Amino acid sequence: GENVEQHPSTLSVQEGDSAVIKCTYSDSASNYFPWYKQELGKRPQLIIDIRSNVGEKKDQRIAVTLNKTAKHFSLHITETQPEDSAVYFCAASIGSSNTGKLIFGQGTTLQVKP
Amino acid sequence: SAVISQKPSRDICQRGTSLTIQCQVDSQVTMMFWYRQQPGQSLTLIATANQGSEATYESGFVIDKFPISRPNLTFSTLTVSNMSPEDSSIYLCSVVRLAGSLLTHNEQFFGPGTRLTVL
Repeated sequence: GENVEQHPSTLSVQEGDSAVIKCTYSDSASNYFPWYKQELGKRPQLIIDIRSNVGEKKDQRIAVTLNKTAKHFSLHITETQPEDSAVYFCAASIGSSNTGKLIFGQGTTLQVKP
Repeated sequence: SAVISQKPSRDICQRGTSLTIQCQVDSQVTMMFWYRQQPGQSLTLIATANQGSEATYESGFVIDKFPISRPNLTFSTLTVSNMSPEDSSIYLCSVVRLAGSLLTHNEQFFGPGTRLTVL
């Protein structure tokens, strides 16, 4: 079945450094890739997404890149701040049809040290 | 984004009983989903709640255990039946509101979740 692998499972960086989280997916028909941030005890919040017709998307300190050939996509956070500390989940659409269904990666716990 | 509420926010239940979780959205949405998030784990899709018809379940989830209703475009319920301690999880509803072309995926937003503990 479809699968999304996410690495690393934990990531610790110094404030101001960059953080990179990588995901690979198995379904070649996937064409929508959102990223969610989940703070402790809170709901997952959509922070950025990318569709298969583009290779990169930026929103201030956050960027996502997509390599459809290799079935890889990555989240880049620059100039990290302590409030970036959270669990981050990548996801991929199940198939290309507009079912809205997503499969999630295992999550990355990001710790930003002041 | 849509405003999504869930009730109850948390509950502690005895094994063998059932709990119904409600999800309410402030505007009409095209799709509603139910997810489970076990402690320290990722999100797993349980089913798609279809308006006016039976829900569509993912592999490993069945209607007898997780009956779902969606009587209209803004409301859905998930029941966790005949509970066991293994059902202790956070249950989240999510919604997609059509905001663009039918051919593109639209943003999905989550409710605040219901934290269920089964003793």
